[in-house]
Amino acid sequence: DVKVTQSSRYLVKRTGEKVFLECVQDMDHENMFWYRQDPGLGLRLIYFSYDVKMKEKGDIPEGYSVSREKKERFSLILESASTNQTSMYLCASSSRDRGRYEQYFGPGTRLTVT
Amino acid sequence: GQNIDQPTEMTATEGAIVQINCTYQTSGFNGLFWYQQHAGEAPTFLSYNVLDGLEEKGRFSSFLSRSKGYSYLLLKELQMKDSASYLCAVRDQENSGYSTLTFGKGTMLLVSP
Repeated sequence: DVKVTQSSRYLVKRTGEKVFLECVQDMDHENMFWYRQDPGLGLRLIYFSYDVKMKEKGDIPEGYSVSREKKERFSLILESASTNQTSMYLCASSSRDRGRYEQYFGPGTRLTVT
Repeated sequence: GQNIDQPTEMTATEGAIVQINCTYQTSGFNGLFWYQQHAGEAPTFLSYNVLDGLEEKGRFSSFLSRSKGYSYLLLKELQMKDSASYLCAVRDQENSGYSTLTFGKGTMLLVSP
């Protein structure tokens, strides 16, 4: 079974803090993704990575950065957290193999910025 | 870009059949996914359609018409545990071995006794 884990289920941070969200997958997937999910807006792609040290902006990258130093780990960084970054953050991974395109999601981190 | 539409909410009765529709307008298309997401949990993969037609998997079936930009998820013999949000997602054109998904806002299905 594919397993995607995220470092925290719930996180409370103050405005201006630097926040790290960690994601680890154990299926040797090449592709990893960070989304945020908000009521009425659905899942929106923040950043993704298709290889170690490679990153691409998604639809809403502003205020975020990412790091992928190892294949199994993909980190999302909020350099200076703001209240409008309060959200559910979901990490996902997928294989590059043909016919195996589905993304597998972690349990999510509910981040509250006060 | 991608525009994906699906109904916000649907209700149905245990044992019944329900069809959740999804329409899309896209600049690139390389397949359509359906995911199920229970409240407070991660989305889980249900189905993937890349060719026109119906794919059946147990109680769940998914249909795709590429010419019409239309898909539906059909759930038969509804059970209470099917109460969840159902997400339609379009896979973008493949680029150097990777592609991204654009998700619809999800359809919240409530199954009542």
